[in-house]
Amino acid sequence: KQEVTQIPAALSVPEGENLVLNCSFTDSAIYNLQWFRQDPGKGLTSLLLIQSSQREQTSGRLNASLDKSSGRSTLYIAASQPGDSATYLCALDGSGNTGKLIFGQGTTLQVKP
Amino acid sequence: EPEVTQTPSHQVTQMGQEVILRCVPISNHLYFYWYRQILGQKVEFLVSFYNNEISEKSEIFDDQFSVERPDGSNFTLKIRSTKLEDSAMYFCASSGTGGIQAFFGQGTRLTVV
Repeated sequence: KQEVTQIPAALSVPEGENLVLNCSFTDSAIYNLQWFRQDPGKGLTSLLLIQSSQREQTSGRLNASLDKSSGRSTLYIAASQPGDSATYLCALDGSGNTGKLIFGQGTTLQVKP
Repeated sequence: EPEVTQTPSHQVTQMGQEVILRCVPISNHLYFYWYRQILGQKVEFLVSFYNNEISEKSEIFDDQFSVERPDGSNFTLKIRSTKLEDSAMYFCASSGTGGIQAFFGQGTRLTVV
C-alpha cells in the first residue's frame, strides 16, 4: 500500500531564506506527483505537477524534483516571503487511470518578516 | 482563469439528515473527484468519476455516499444519513484529458451536529 510522508511537519524560517520541503513515498510505481498549497481553512492550489518521465518542474521561485528510484520528491522555495506561509502538500497518482491522489500530511511553513 | 466552484462553503446539518454537496467542475474537464479532509488529518480520496460512472472508490465511500452528474455541468456528492464522523471539509476536483493534473475547489465545510 502506497504511503506518502512529508518531513518536517512544520517549519519556521526568516524571510529571504531558501528552503526545501521533503516528500517520500513507499512505492516507486507512480504516474505523477503534484505539490499543492493550502491556506488555513481553504482549498488546495496546484503548484507544480511532475509526470513520471520528468525529473523536475519549475514555476517562478518554486522548483520541484522527483526521484522515483529513491521514492523522494523535494519542493525548493527560493527567497521565501511571508506570503509563502501556508501548508504544502504533496500528492501522487499511483493508479494511472483513475486519477486517485494519495496525499501526505503536509508541511506547515511560516515565513517571518 | 477557469476554476472549480463548490457550494455551499459551509453547511451545518443534524445527524441522520441527508446532505448534497455541489460542485461545478472546469467546463472541458472529463474526470471528477471528491476528497475529504477531517480536521487535522490528511486529505483522503473518496471517489473518481469518468464517463458517467464511478471509476474508483475508497473504503470510506460506502452505501451512504453517492455521486451524480445530473445535468452535464454539476457534480454532486450525496450523503444519505449523516453521522458525526462525516464532519469534514469536502473537496471537489476535476482534471482534463488523461486525468493528469487535478484542480481543486475551495471546499465545503460540513458540520454534523
